[in-house]
Amino acid sequence: AQSVTQLGSHVSVSEGALVLLRCNYSSSVPPYLFWYVQYPNQGLQLLLKYTSAATLVKGINGFEAEFKKSETSFHLTKPSAHMSDAAEYFCAVSDPTNAGKSTFGDGTTLTVKP
Amino acid sequence: KAGVTQTPRYLIKTRGQQVTLSCSPISGHRSVSWYQQTPGQGLQFLFEYFSETQRNKGNFPGRFSGRQFSNSRSEMNVSTLELGDSALYLCASSLGGYNTEAFFGQGTRLTVV
Repeated sequence: AQSVTQLGSHVSVSEGALVLLRCNYSSSVPPYLFWYVQYPNQGLQLLLKYTSAATLVKGINGFEAEFKKSETSFHLTKPSAHMSDAAEYFCAVSDPTNAGKSTFGDGTTLTVKP
Repeated sequence: KAGVTQTPRYLIKTRGQQVTLSCSPISGHRSVSWYQQTPGQGLQFLFEYFSETQRNKGNFPGRFSGRQFSNSRSEMNVSTLELGDSALYLCASSLGGYNTEAFFGQGTRLTVV
């Protein structure tokens, strides 16, 4: 079974600082991994996805994530935080053996201080 | 291309009543998934339909049910509502493969009083 753990339910950074949101996964087969963002009272929106083509994945809004098999991690980063990045972020893993079933992490709320 | 549409956006129901939520997926998407989101439990998977068949199911009681129509539109029904059913219900559509991303609607905010 697939699982995802997001370390830190709340992360606070200053505007202009590095953003690092952590995600570790558990999977018995090569996983497909996703990061989504959710703004208040909205649905989730895809930031980026890893599908084994490249370990460093670039997404929208300046975010990127690196797949590290040895560490079973897929951390999300952004070099310089902007006020508009304040939102909740979810890491998700898709089960290649069970098409259509994705497992989401508990989410990390990012606060950006001026 | 129109996104995923969920109706209604907000709903207030009384304990014991039943409710039906609707989701219209992106054109061409055959998979529709439903999630319950609450502050305490996070994003919980309810079920997924693909080509009118329930393909995956989460760990929710039988009061939660769904269906999908031939045009891929989906409905979710909750019977005998409980206070704990108050949540944001999100619908997501996709092409249905394991490597395809989900496109989410804005959700239906259900309040049970």
